[in-house]
Amino acid sequence: QKEVEQNSGPLSVPEGAIASLNCTYSDRGSQSFFWYRQYSGKSPELIMSIYSNGDKEDGRFTAQLNKASQYVSLLIRDSQPSDSATYLCAVKHSTTPTFGRGTSLIVHP
Amino acid sequence: GAGVSQSPRYKVAKRGQDVALRCDPISGHVSLFWYQQALGQGPEFLTYFQNEAQLDKSGLPSDRFFAERPEGSVSTLKIQRTQQEDSAVYLCASSPSTGVEAFFGQGTRLTVV
Repeated sequence: QKEVEQNSGPLSVPEGAIASLNCTYSDRGSQSFFWYRQYSGKSPELIMSIYSNGDKEDGRFTAQLNKASQYVSLLIRDSQPSDSATYLCAVKHSTTPTFGRGTSLIVHP
Repeated sequence: GAGVSQSPRYKVAKRGQDVALRCDPISGHVSLFWYQQALGQGPEFLTYFQNEAQLDKSGLPSDRFFAERPEGSVSTLKIQRTQQEDSAVYLCASSPSTGVEAFFGQGTRLTVV
């Protein structure tokens, strides 16, 4: 059973702070890792993908992958109220992404 | 259109009724996935197609669920004799190939009454 674990939250941070979202996975053979953002009542939207160990930065977002620890994280710098959403971690072994239940992020002014 | 398109957006079905949900993936995308998302949960995998071949249907919860993609493009998820526990958002996603990111449609919200 491939599992992807996320703390459901909510994670509450003040505007301008760094939000740190974490995800662990059970399948050591996983090769591709994704972060999706899902606003309430909307479908998931891809925001980051990462395939190798280390950090990957895109604007205010940084994804971090540590395959040895089976851990992937997402940092959001200078958090804005518009970042308030559920963040889904997805892990792919070969063909099919497996999703975590998501972490709810609330950025308060 | 440029994105994944799903129809209908909303469906209300009486218990016992059959429903068909349609997904039109991004043109040229080889991989197509169906997921079921209950309120407050992450998407749960249902089935996967590579072109017209259904390579994985391990997530289909019962034999009442059936999916097809006969020409390797549009896909239909059919649920027979709907039950209240089938109420959820059904998400379709497509990907240009294996191992890369998948893009989601708007979803179909199914409510069984």
